[in-house]
Amino acid sequence: DADVTQTPRNRITKTGKRIMLECSQTKGHDRMYWYRQDPGLGLRLIYYSFDVKDINKGEISDGYSVSRQAQAKFSLSLESAIPNQTALYFCATSVSLAGGNEQFFGPGTRLTVL
Amino acid sequence: AQKVTQAQTEISVVEKEDVTLDCVYETRDTTYYLFWYKQPPSGELVFLIRRNSFDEQNEISGRYSWNFQKSTSSFNFTITASQVVDSAVYFCALSVNTNAGKSTFGDGTTLTVKP
Repeated sequence: DADVTQTPRNRITKTGKRIMLECSQTKGHDRMYWYRQDPGLGLRLIYYSFDVKDINKGEISDGYSVSRQAQAKFSLSLESAIPNQTALYFCATSVSLAGGNEQFFGPGTRLTVL
Repeated sequence: AQKVTQAQTEISVVEKEDVTLDCVYETRDTTYYLFWYKQPPSGELVFLIRRNSFDEQNEISGRYSWNFQKSTSSFNFTITASQVVDSAVYFCALSVNTNAGKSTFGDGTTLTVKP
């Protein structure tokens, strides 16, 4: 079984709808992240969480919210989806080793907002 | 602030050619970590290597090798005798302790290896 899972894998929705993307991990890592990937723009950090009670905004948090329900679960919500939120979304985890922490990524969720 | 530049947007080579992917980073921190990740056409992101700022020793893993040079702030990745399966997007990333350990990613280099 995959260590980091994301659901759904693909989602098509309409402008204005509320969407939740879910991430679960079995790696036992403290840190979890949400990124979006757009063609030619690499990965941009939306939110990150270093433990259940610690949630922080990334570089592009506007229009998104998150919930860390447990150490193993980190959900990303789009309260009112808009077309420019069409992207590939990745969840990632890492151990709480300051700085030198490679990240382990889920398979991605491809979101299309019409 | 941290920055990672991957100047090569796309590279195309023929199988068995050697290819080098460039990565230049910027940071004022003296302790930092550099990473390479691979994203094959299937879409998942796979960690390849981590290097800390105190270890400039180059590393070789099979056909892959990495050249870390602090003097030029570069962490280049070379694939020797490329294969079609090496076709992917490759990302370089930088992490520093003073930025809560978050990683800054380059925009990626798309490598296409033709048979």
